[in-house]
Amino acid sequence: QSALTQEASVSGTVGQKVTLSCTGNSNNIGSYTVAWYQQISHGVPKLVMFGSSLPSGIPDRFSGSKSGTTASLTISGLQPEDEAHYYCSTWDYRLSARVFGGGTKLTVL
Amino acid sequence: EVQLVESGGGLVQPGGSLRLSCAASGFTFSSYAMSWVRQAPGKGLEWVSVSSGGGGSTYYADSVRGRFTISRDNSKNTVYLQMDSLRAEDTALYYCAKESEVVATIDGTIDFWGQGTLVTVSS
Repeated sequence: QSALTQEASVSGTVGQKVTLSCTGNSNNIGSYTVAWYQQISHGVPKLVMFGSSLPSGIPDRFSGSKSGTTASLTISGLQPEDEAHYYCSTWDYRLSARVFGGGTKLTVL
Repeated sequence: EVQLVESGGGLVQPGGSLRLSCAASGFTFSSYAMSWVRQAPGKGLEWVSVSSGGGGSTYYADSVRGRFTISRDNSKNTVYLQMDSLRAEDTALYYCAKESEVVATIDGTIDFWGQGTLVTVSS
């Protein structure tokens, strides 16, 4: 069982706005910045968001936020190439470990 | 350009050992912590271990603590994962990953991943 909880699947149509969530607790999300990774067709994961900061080369239709112990990744103007698995991750100071969510499969209809 | 190249994966029997290596280039290796993350077939990402930039601080997932050992040689820009007492459930693609800070406990993240090396534990 993952320390961070994500939706198993989310879907949306091209151009739609979708939001993925990641729920943790005060030991992890409540204390540290959350990262989001995109993994397309079980390829190499790629960092797409760190907190609300967009890594170089990532389209600005991706945005990140956090409220308490829940982080969110929003994709505005969904594109076919956004179809992928998305994982959230952060540090947990009680576990002294980096933790991942179980992943959300995003389907673009 | 950051590059991480893993090697050392393969087929090993339960109870056996394997040492993974990850050769890094394109950044000042000793200035960054390095992690290993694995992904079992059809499953999600599971963090395994991290070493600080100097190698003096290491952390492990509960699932591997006492069986796996992370180490690094900053003169060779290489991080290792020694895996002992391997079990079937250790079967996975093992990714080497660069952290964004010198120690993982600072509020950073994994910002770059290698291609991975496959470890299969089976008799």
